[in-house]
Amino acid sequence: GIQVEQSPPDLILQEGANSTLRCNFSDSVNNLQWFHQNPWGQLINLFYIPSGTKQNGRLSATTVATERYSLLYISSSQTTDSGVYFCAVATSGTYKYIFGTGTRLKVLA
Amino acid sequence: KAGVTQTPRYLIKTRGQQVTLSCSPISGHRSVSWYQQTPGQGLQFLFEYFSETQRNKGNFPGRFSGRQFSNSRSEMNVSTLELGDSALYLCASSWKQGAREQFFGPGTRLTVL
Repeated sequence: GIQVEQSPPDLILQEGANSTLRCNFSDSVNNLQWFHQNPWGQLINLFYIPSGTKQNGRLSATTVATERYSLLYISSSQTTDSGVYFCAVATSGTYKYIFGTGTRLKVLA
Repeated sequence: KAGVTQTPRYLIKTRGQQVTLSCSPISGHRSVSWYQQTPGQGLQFLFEYFSETQRNKGNFPGRFSGRQFSNSRSEMNVSTLELGDSALYLCASSWKQGAREQFFGPGTRLTVL
């Protein structure tokens, strides 16, 4: 089945710094989402982005489907950005999301 | 519009018991998917229901089952609980069958003693 790899696995930043999280996948996908999991376990939708670029405030994401990767950019990070970021993909016909192992982000004040 | 709700939020059971978890999707959403999250295996897909029918299934034993009602609410059942079933169980809804954009509930944290 499809493999989803996220990097880096862990990231520590000072407040105000910028970061780029990467998601590589091993097969063509037609669905891709980025999530932020808060300390209580809730998965918060960040982007639904099977292709192209989207921006929402300090966050933006780009998916290059032909090259099988997606990037999540966080600018001017805040302590509330801490948590685990997941990329999830679904291939045509399978209709089920496969999650990456996540990037654990800690933003220090 | 209210989000996805899951009950109960926390549950403690002993080995051999069975458990039923409930999920109410966002109003108008007809697809409900269930996921299991453990420290060792990460987030894994259990199954998806759409129009009261199971449409997709992950690689879990038959002890894990579910159903969906006509109002799109879904329940998940785990029989003969094992210690390894301790996990965060997450439910997600989407308006259409298949992955598309999914919205997750807060989860049910199950502990099996």
